[in-house]
Amino acid sequence: QQQVKQSPQSLIVQKGGISIINCAYENTAFDYFPWYQQFPGKGPALLIAIRPDVSEKKEGRFTISFNKSAKQFSLHIMDSQPGDSATYFCAASSRRDKIIFGKGTRLHILP
Amino acid sequence: DTEVTQTPKHLVMGMTNKKSLKCEQHMGHRAMYWYKQKAKKPPELMFVYSYEKLSINESVPSRFSPECPNSSLLNLHLHALQPEDSALYLCASSRYKGTQVLNTEAFFGQGTRLTVV
Repeated sequence: QQQVKQSPQSLIVQKGGISIINCAYENTAFDYFPWYQQFPGKGPALLIAIRPDVSEKKEGRFTISFNKSAKQFSLHIMDSQPGDSATYFCAASSRRDKIIFGKGTRLHILP
Repeated sequence: DTEVTQTPKHLVMGMTNKKSLKCEQHMGHRAMYWYKQKAKKPPELMFVYSYEKLSINESVPSRFSPECPNSSLLNLHLHALQPEDSALYLCASSRYKGTQVLNTEAFFGQGTRLTVV
């Protein structure tokens, strides 16, 4: 019930391509869905987040798509660049609960 | 200032040592967190402080002792650690309104890379 399932575990994309990472959840009480980007040896940094009252949120090359009925959300990185190579964590939380992280996706963008 | 600052960046300690990790934020956040992260794994929550009071302890062994001296500072005191405690220790903070944590943004520090020998 508290899990957030993230896929794929690792992803290789050509420079300029679209990177897509998917997450699914069960707990309908979750009302906040952030994505974190983490470079080796650094702490996670909030990349973009969405609440379930919208189906899509875009910030620059990063877009979250949210499907409330399917309890799924995904991160799309358009025009992927080598500097986007990092580990990405999806997460979910509710007002009274801690943030639950997915297991992470290691993204590598080929130059 | 949107930074969470952690010191030291790296720490090597023996199993009989006592050391402390420090975390500081000046964003006015009243919720502060300690996470532990092993390689290729997501962060695992250890402790949550809300308004300088310990509100969540995720069944962490007593060899880890948190402290929140004021609204800007968070410490993690370490004593008699084991080699399996080697990990990246992350501090984070977020806003708090009334009785609810506002999970609108959680800011993480760069972490302390801890090695127990």
